[in-house]
Amino acid sequence: GENVEQHPSTLSVQEGDSAVIKCTYSDSASNYFPWYKQELGKRPQLIIDIRSNVGEKKDQRIAVTLNKTAKHFSLHITETQPEDSAVYFCAASISGDDKIIFGKGTRLHILP
Amino acid sequence: DTEVTQTPKHLVMGMTNKKSLKCEQHMGHRAMYWYKQKAKKPPELMFVYSYEKLSINESVPSRFSPECPNSSLLNLHLHALQPEDSALYLCASSQASYGYTFGSGTRLTVV
Repeated sequence: GENVEQHPSTLSVQEGDSAVIKCTYSDSASNYFPWYKQELGKRPQLIIDIRSNVGEKKDQRIAVTLNKTAKHFSLHITETQPEDSAVYFCAASISGDDKIIFGKGTRLHILP
Repeated sequence: DTEVTQTPKHLVMGMTNKKSLKCEQHMGHRAMYWYKQKAKKPPELMFVYSYEKLSINESVPSRFSPECPNSSLLNLHLHALQPEDSALYLCASSQASYGYTFGSGTRLTVV
């Protein structure tokens, strides 16, 4: 079955700097890769996703890149702000499959 | 309506109690899910319902019993739980695994 590895487990960056979180997946059939942000005590919320026919997707300060050959994808947050502090989960799934496999999460701290 | 609504938000129950968690969505999503999340861990899949039929049961103990009365509702019946079952229980819905929408969760404490 699919396995998703996520690194780092904790990341601290200075406010205004960029943050990068990386994930790898094992099943080459996976073709949908969402990212979720979970603030303390709240629900996970989808912040961006990418499908395997696209190499990069951007939404304001957030971007995701996908390298299908290497089976890895990354989340990039630019100009980080205090409200970006949260746990971020990457995930992978196969189109039409009911199951999404989550990475273990990255706790992002934005330092003042 | 783009929300998944879960009730109650908090629940404290004894090990001999029977209680139910409820989840509702009106987005027309065909799949609904129950997840369990412990502190500082990712959500852990418990059950998946697709078109109101149980499609995935991740070897969950029988003290957890899911029910899908219709395409908008999902229940999780709890009986004889253990303290280690204390966690945040998240409901989610999706259309063919694209873009899960999670509910705000029920924080369950078993005493």
